[in-house]
Amino acid sequence: DAMVIQNPRYQVTQFGKPVTLSCSQTLNHNVMYWYQQKSSQAPKLLFHYYDKDFNNEADTPDNFQSRRPNTSFCFLDIRSPGLGDAAMYLCATSRALPRVSDTQYFGPGTRLTVL
Amino acid sequence: AQSVTQLGSHVSVSEGALVLLRCNYSSSVPPYLFWYVQYPNQGLQLLLKYTTGATLVKGINGFEAEFKKSETSFHLTKPSAHMSDAAEYFCVLDQGGKLIFGQGTELSVKP
Repeated sequence: DAMVIQNPRYQVTQFGKPVTLSCSQTLNHNVMYWYQQKSSQAPKLLFHYYDKDFNNEADTPDNFQSRRPNTSFCFLDIRSPGLGDAAMYLCATSRALPRVSDTQYFGPGTRLTVL
Repeated sequence: AQSVTQLGSHVSVSEGALVLLRCNYSSSVPPYLFWYVQYPNQGLQLLLKYTTGATLVKGINGFEAEFKKSETSFHLTKPSAHMSDAAEYFCVLDQGGKLIFGQGTELSVKP
């Protein structure tokens, strides 16, 4: 089945220690998104890739970076995690942008704990 | 500015009872609206979406929603709640490919 896969599902890191979260997709979608979802809150868009074109949200901290080496994979790098970065990180994909109403398909998420 | 408001952060119903989750939106252009469901420690799953055409939209798991332009609403309903419906539900407005989320409504189902 075509899907969005996130690894690992649970990640524990130490304060200040770089961490990378992974997302892969078999949908062959052009757009990949990264969202941060803190406890009891709605997801917040961090950035997205349209093909190889990177689009950062204005309020995304510099501590968060992303890489997309090919269509299938996208990585979220947190350079120096702080306690406030503990959250669920969701990856999503869509076929095209900016075509309105193009459904976003979400992965299961990676829950990040910062000690 | 475009926005989404979900009325009630927590809704509790008995198994077999009607489920009604309320959503109102604000949009300067014809809206495209979605309902997503999120089970604990899971990603978001699309329940249904409204783009154009028929205002009553049917989704998965017996859910449906009606788009009412005059009331700027897109309420989600299910005639009979099941224990497995317990989850967080998000009403979402599509702003040119960028999703605007409501605050979410946690649905509890009592046996």
